[in-house]
Amino acid sequence: EDQVTQSPEALRLQEGESSSLNCSYTVSGLRGLFWYRQDPGKGPEFLFTLYSAGEEKEKERLKATLTKKESFLHITAPKPEDSATYLCAVHAPQGGSEKLVFGKGTKLTVNP
Amino acid sequence: NAGVTQTPKFQVLKTGQSMTLQCAQDMNHEYMSWYRQDPGMGLRLIHYSVGAGITDQGEVPNGYNVSRSTTEDFPLRLLSAAPSQTSVYFCASSRPGGGWNSPLHFGNGTRLTVT
Repeated sequence: EDQVTQSPEALRLQEGESSSLNCSYTVSGLRGLFWYRQDPGKGPEFLFTLYSAGEEKEKERLKATLTKKESFLHITAPKPEDSATYLCAVHAPQGGSEKLVFGKGTKLTVNP
Repeated sequence: NAGVTQTPKFQVLKTGQSMTLQCAQDMNHEYMSWYRQDPGMGLRLIHYSVGAGITDQGEVPNGYNVSRSTTEDFPLRLLSAAPSQTSVYFCASSRPGGGWNSPLHFGNGTRLTVT
């Protein structure tokens, strides 16, 4: 059973059409939730860390929010340069150690 | 400041061959780790290191070997390549003291094909 599930798998938007990406998690004892952006042929690039329910962080057109079971990455008035795969990762204790689990990502395409 | 540098960018191996994927960082980060990324799957941890001389296994360590003799370098060795090891490999590092709760800095990956 996946501990971190991202939806949708792929999302196509028109420039300026706002939307949200979802990251739901089933781990308990969340230590932190991370969002990364990955461009084709590149490594993931850090965007945000969220630590507790109710927390929000913003960067340009992106805003990340966190509840007890999921996180949303809201994209306001996206531009073509926002096209990328967005990865979510969850840090939580597991089996006596700590673990960082990545979701499979949401591929976002923004058409001009 | 180069960040995390991985070499080579691309590699093709035949089954049974061995090779070393190189990873170097210039940020004085204690934590370094290796991930593989396969289509339809999340990044999976292969091995990690919390400092020079200390390494540990991740989720998918079989067929891979690591060592950490310096803070800067963390090479990944494929002992006898198999087609199942065809993947994109990413090296990552994070700042001292933060452990798994620090943001990871990733290299740009090595795309490995095993035939």
